[in-house]
Amino acid sequence: EVHLVESGGGLVQPGGSLTLSCAASGFSFSTSWMHWVRQVPGMGLVWVSRINGDGTTTTYADSVKGRFTISRDNAKSMLFLQMTGLRVEDTAVYFCSRVENEFDFWGQGTLVTVSS
Amino acid sequence: QPALTQPASVSGSPGQSITISCTGTSSDIGTYNYVSWYQQYPGKAPKLLIYDVTKRPSGVSNRFSASKSGNTASLTISGLQAEDEADYYCCSYAPGRTPWVFGGGTKVTVL
Repeated sequence: EVHLVESGGGLVQPGGSLTLSCAASGFSFSTSWMHWVRQVPGMGLVWVSRINGDGTTTTYADSVKGRFTISRDNAKSMLFLQMTGLRVEDTAVYFCSRVENEFDFWGQGTLVTVSS
Repeated sequence: QPALTQPASVSGSPGQSITISCTGTSSDIGTYNYVSWYQQYPGKAPKLLIYDVTKRPSGVSNRFSASKSGNTASLTISGLQAEDEADYYCCSYAPGRTPWVFGGGTKVTVL
């Protein structure tokens, strides 16, 4: 059974940093594209970033480019999202997801709140 | 502003059928058959309902069906049940922009 479990969310001040983690199990993690998607409470889903299986290809939404870094540790089946220069508008629940040609498995999400 | 346009809300009575539209452009839905639909209950993770425009994953009720015409995809829920009350999101591959775009979501209410 596939499991994705996010952690690392919390309250951070504007301009601060936070690193999210996603622990994966139940599938071939090292060959899977992994993505981060965020959702402002009460609003829609927004794609944030992706990384390929061996970590050599990454892509970012314009809104986070230059501030967020996606990475992975295939030995530990872990996905990360390092977030710096956080803004109030980055406040959201962040989900990790495995993607083939669709987002077929999702974690439960971790809430990031950026506020002074 | 979401990249794909969905109605904010759709409602129906138990047993009825409802359809949710999702309008994109020739750069996403109009060109690629990587259109998917997700169901989300409050406070929960999204769940995959439909992929590759019309396909249902194992375990998803056959009351959910979908199609695409031009730049618009549609999700139909037949035999509406109380448990179908949730938010529904469409998604499309869109390599010209961000590689994946979502709709703004549609809240389905069972009257």
